[in-house]
Parts: sequence; structure tokens; C-alpha cells
Amino acid sequence: SYELTQPPSVSVSPGQTASITCSGDKLGDKYASWYQQKPGQSPVLVIYQDNKRPSGIPERFSGSNSGNTATLTISGTQAINEADYYCQAWDSSTVVFGGGTKLTVL
Amino acid sequence: QVQLQESGPGLVKPSETLSLTCTVSGGSISSYYWSWIRQPAGMGLEWIGRIYTSGSTNYNPSLKSRVTMSVDTSKNQFSLKLNSVTAADTAVYYCARGYSSSSSAYSYYMDVWGKGTTVTVSS
Repeated sequence: SYELTQPPSVSVSPGQTASITCSGDKLGDKYASWYQQKPGQSPVLVIYQDNKRPSGIPERFSGSNSGNTATLTISGTQAINEADYYCQAWDSSTVVFGGGTKLTVL
Repeated sequence: QVQLQESGPGLVKPSETLSLTCTVSGGSISSYYWSWIRQPAGMGLEWIGRIYTSGSTNYNPSLKSRVTMSVDTSKNQFSLKLNSVTAADTAVYYCARGYSSSSSAYSYYMDVWGKGTTVTVSS
């Protein structure tokens, strides 16, 4: 079965740029989406189709996908961006989620 | 603004069937995919499956033998049944609206999520 691999944790200083990666075999041939989940809340879609932002998602969130890696980038990271982030793709008629990355804003 | 609300028993006995319903409000259930996702405490997201309003389904292969999804367009609801549950099925269960498209690749993502409902499997 298809697997997506994310680093368990990423740390960033306030105001800096955070990058969270998601790796999978030929992931660049698929579309990647990203979800943000804060403690006790349901996930929120922040990026879809590799680099598109849903209405209401700040411009500081951006995405890219090439080769075997999709990347979620958060520029000018703020304390409110501290959360778990999950990548997601579609493979063999199923949704696949990455294991999630805890973003800490120090 | 479309909203989703999960409902169902919060406690299910081992070997019995977990049954949940998701009610869609603020919009039509028609012409969308509808997914179920679960999350054990402190762990990641696991997709259970999806159903289209026509009744067409896709299930996670690891759960396929125990899962049944259905949709009732007249009530703007869709449902999940998971049979033969064990403690490993204890989780927060979310319903979500799915959007798909095909261009250079098939795209499927979930843009609206319910608040989730906690289901505990215990005797």
C-alpha cells in the first residue's frame, strides 16, 4: 500500500519560515493536500491540489509538489500556526494520510 | 455555509456494530463525496472510506471487510456502520465533505469537516 512519510516534529522561531515535508513514491505525479489540526479541534484544509489555498486561508500558507516530495511552507510563522499538519494524497482508490508533523513555534 | 454533525452512541460493546450518522446542513448532500475519518487519541488520521450521493463507495482496504456506508439524500444524511468492533476501534470519528476532480491527476480532498464524535469500545 502507498505510504506518505512526514517528520514527526518541526520547530520554527516566530516570524521565520517553516517547511514541512511529505514524501512518497512519485508523489509529484499525484495531487497533495494539507490539513492543519489544533488540539481538540477537527482538521482544517489549508492547501489542496499541491498549491491552492481555500478561501479564508492566509497567504502565508503555500505548497509545492515535485518528484517524491510535497512541501507545506508557512512564511512569517506565528504562534497561532502551532498545530499538527497532515499531508494527504489519493492512491489506488483510497485516501492516504501522512503520519502528521507537530509544528512548534518557539 | 455547509456544516456537518456526527451523531451516534458514544459507547459500543466489543464484537458489536458501531453506527454513526452525519447530518449535512446549510447545503445539499447531492453531487459530492462524503467521507468518514477516524483518529485514535494521540494518533494520526485514518481514512475509513467515502460514498458518493449515487451510492458508489470506496473503502480503506484495511477496514473494507467490516465497513458499510450508506446515504439518504431525502434526509441530507450519510451513515457509517463498522461491525465486529474491538478496543482498537476506539477513536474520534469525523465526517467530511470530499471534492474530486481529474486533470493531470486525480484529485481528492476534504474541504468541510464535522466536529467529530468520540466512540469508545468497551464492555
